[in-house]
Formats: sequence, C-alpha cells, structure tokens
Amino acid sequence: KQEVTQIPAALSVPEGENLVLNCSFTDSAIYNLQWFRQDPGKGLTSLLLIQSSQREQTSGRLNASLDKSSGRSTLYIAASQPGDSATYLCAVPSGSARQLTFGSGTQLTVLP
Amino acid sequence: SAVISQKPSRDICQRGTSLTIQCQVDSQVTMMFWYRQQPGQSLTLIATANQGSEATYESGFVIDKFPISRPNLTFSTLTVSNMSPEDSSIYLCSVRTKPYEQYFGPGTRLTVT
Repeated sequence: KQEVTQIPAALSVPEGENLVLNCSFTDSAIYNLQWFRQDPGKGLTSLLLIQSSQREQTSGRLNASLDKSSGRSTLYIAASQPGDSATYLCAVPSGSARQLTFGSGTQLTVLP
Repeated sequence: SAVISQKPSRDICQRGTSLTIQCQVDSQVTMMFWYRQQPGQSLTLIATANQGSEATYESGFVIDKFPISRPNLTFSTLTVSNMSPEDSSIYLCSVRTKPYEQYFGPGTRLTVT
C-alpha cells in the first residue's frame, strides 16, 4: 500500500527566503505526482503535476522535482511571500483506480 | 483543467439531520470523487462516483450514511445522513482529467452541533 510522507509538518520563514518542502512515497511505481496548495478552510488548488518520466516541472516561483528511484519529490519556492502562507500537500495516484494518496501536508507561514 | 463549484460553501446543521452537497463541473468528466477532511487532518477518500454506475465506497464509508448521486457527466451530490458532531469536516468534490490529474472544488465546510 502506497504511503506518502511530508516533512516538515510546519515551517515558518521570513519573507524573501527560498525554501524546500519534501515529499516521500513508499512505492516508486507511480504514474505522476501532484502538488497542491490549501488555504485554511478552503479547497485544494493544483500547483504542479509532474509525470513519472519527468524530473522537474516549473511554474513561476515554484519548481517541483521528482526522483522516482529514491521515492522523493521536492517543491522549491523561490523568494517566498506572505501570500504563500498555506498548507502544501503532495499526492500520488495509487491502487487499481488510481485514487490519490495524500501526504499529511506542510503548513507554511511566511512572515512579513 | 476543470472548474468545480460546490454548494453550499458552508453550513451548520443539527445532530440527526441530513445535508446534501452539490458539485458542478464546467466540463464532462468520467470520474468524480468525494473526499472528507476532518479538522487538522489530510484528505480521506469517501467514494468514487462514475456516471451510470453505483458509487464505489472506501473502507469505513457506507452508502446508507453517504448516499451519492451521479445523474450526468457534470454533476454529483453527496448526502451526509443522520449527522453527528463527528461528521464535522470539509467535504470536497474532485474530478479527474487526463492523464490522472485531479482538480478539487472549493469545499463545503460542515459543522454539526
């Protein structure tokens, strides 16, 4: 059974800092990996989807990398801003129906 | 991509009552999912709803408690029946586009008193 772990659980940084969020998964036979953002009490916003054949995917200040063999993905946020404060979740499709298995998330606070 | 709306966005309900949550998608999709997110927790899949077939429920979730309808390729409802305070959660509708990318609605924040 696929298990997804995210560390750290919480992170607080000053504005302008570059930061890395980590995601690991136990079964490396993944189809893709998706990073989401969730604001308090809200739904999930898809940030990046990285296919199993890709090593990186970029969108603006965000860069996601994927190392299938080691079962790891990182989300790099450049020049962080207070508006980046949210919970970041990674997820992989698993099981026969490719249901998403989520990590427990990293709660990011960017201090002005 | 897909744009998903949910109604209601939030509600406060009394114990023992039922609430039906609606999910509308701006394009036709085969697979729709309903998730629950309890306070401080990550997302848990309740069921998969495909048009034209019965919903498939995950372990720990039953049709009597969470009946689901999927009348067409753009709409679904989830009912939370005979509610208790433990049902207080955010309920999220999600759809899958190709290839295996999922999009989520804004969620319905339910509080049961």
